[in-house]
Amino acid sequence: EDKVVQSPLSLVVHEGDTVTLNCSYEVTNFRSLLWYKQEKKAPTFLFMLTSSGIEKKSGRLSSILDKKELFSILNITATQTGDSAVYLCAVVPYALNFGKGTSLLVTP
Amino acid sequence: DTGVSQDPRHKITKRGQNVTFRCDPISEHNRLYWYRQTLGQGPEFLTYFQNEAQLEKSRLLSDRFSAERPKGSFSTLEIQRTEQGDSAMYLCASSPRQAHTQYFGPGTRLTVL
Repeated sequence: EDKVVQSPLSLVVHEGDTVTLNCSYEVTNFRSLLWYKQEKKAPTFLFMLTSSGIEKKSGRLSSILDKKELFSILNITATQTGDSAVYLCAVVPYALNFGKGTSLLVTP
Repeated sequence: DTGVSQDPRHKITKRGQNVTFRCDPISEHNRLYWYRQTLGQGPEFLTYFQNEAQLEKSRLLSDRFSAERPKGSFSTLEIQRTEQGDSAMYLCASSPRQAHTQYFGPGTRLTVL
């Protein structure tokens, strides 16, 4: 059975800290891994990763995929209160298999 | 607004009633997905259309659930004889041909009393 596991499930940090969110997966017919940010609404797309070892970067957020070890990390540097959200990892055989998410709270 | 839209945004119903939700994908996106999300969980896949063809259905989708996309554009999700366990956020997403990135609508929050 396909499995996507995120850790930690929740995290509280101070503004300015750097955080690393983890996503490990076991799926058949892996095609890509996606990260989404979900505030009190629908998930919004952050990154899609298909190739191992290539870092995707957008501002203070970056992500990398390791297809050999079957995991991905999402890094957020210099966190801000606006980064508080649930971060979802999903893998694609055909539809998105989501993990439970990591709830991040950034306190001022 | 050219994003994915869903209607209604909220629905409160009594147990045993039927409900129908609508999703309008981003135009020219040929793939459309339905997910269900409950508190503290990631979205769970329900079903997927490529154009008007329903290509996959999750084991989660009981016989009380049916989805259609008759002309390959908007889709409807119907739940018959609703149960309290159906209370959740129902999310619709679409993606263009050959792409994996899915863009989500705002969701329909269903509360079954």
